[in-house]
Amino acid sequence: GAVVSQHPSWVICKSGTSVKIECRSLDFQATTMFWYRQFPKQSLMLMATSNEGSKATYEQGVEKDKFLINHASLTLSTLTVTSAHPEDSSFYICSARDSTVHGYTFGSGTRLTVV
Amino acid sequence: KNEVEQSPQNLTAQEGEFITINCSYSVGISALHWLQQHPGGGIVSLFMLSSGKKKHGRLIATINIQEKHSSLHITASHPRDSAVYICAVSKSSGDKLTFGTGTRLAVRP
Repeated sequence: GAVVSQHPSWVICKSGTSVKIECRSLDFQATTMFWYRQFPKQSLMLMATSNEGSKATYEQGVEKDKFLINHASLTLSTLTVTSAHPEDSSFYICSARDSTVHGYTFGSGTRLTVV
Repeated sequence: KNEVEQSPQNLTAQEGEFITINCSYSVGISALHWLQQHPGGGIVSLFMLSSGKKKHGRLIATINIQEKHSSLHITASHPRDSAVYICAVSKSSGDKLTFGTGTRLAVRP
């Protein structure tokens, strides 16, 4: 079946530093990757949609200069949280449209803690 | 009002019980998805439905397009079924998902 490998699983970083999260589709081509953020006991919130070879589409209220998304190939999309602050601490998860009966495959998520 | 509503928000069941989680939506959809989120955060796609009924093991998902309603049933529930179950809809094929708020299920031994 379709697999999306996301790493790191967790990361702790200092305020002001940048963190890169990678999502790779292992056995299929992910033309589109969705990036979500989830705060504790809340629903998934779409941050942006990235399409291979073009600029990402950001949801309202999401700062594109702070959350840099790159989708340079059909199997790799990255999210970089720049100049991280404690309020950016959250669970970030990616998802790609696949051709299986389920339609979408999710990465395993990244728990970011900014101290 | 959310476009996707789930009920109940929280559910506690005894092992072996039959469980039903409901989802209603208010928009036109291409497909409805049931997802399972484990305590560690990982999300697994359980079903994608556009009509009728699907079954996988002890899980059954149904959808009524006319009533804009779907149900997820778990038969012979087990503690390992404890998770958050999320209903989501896509308005067109390949489109972003719109999520319900999730149902937190705890199955006690």
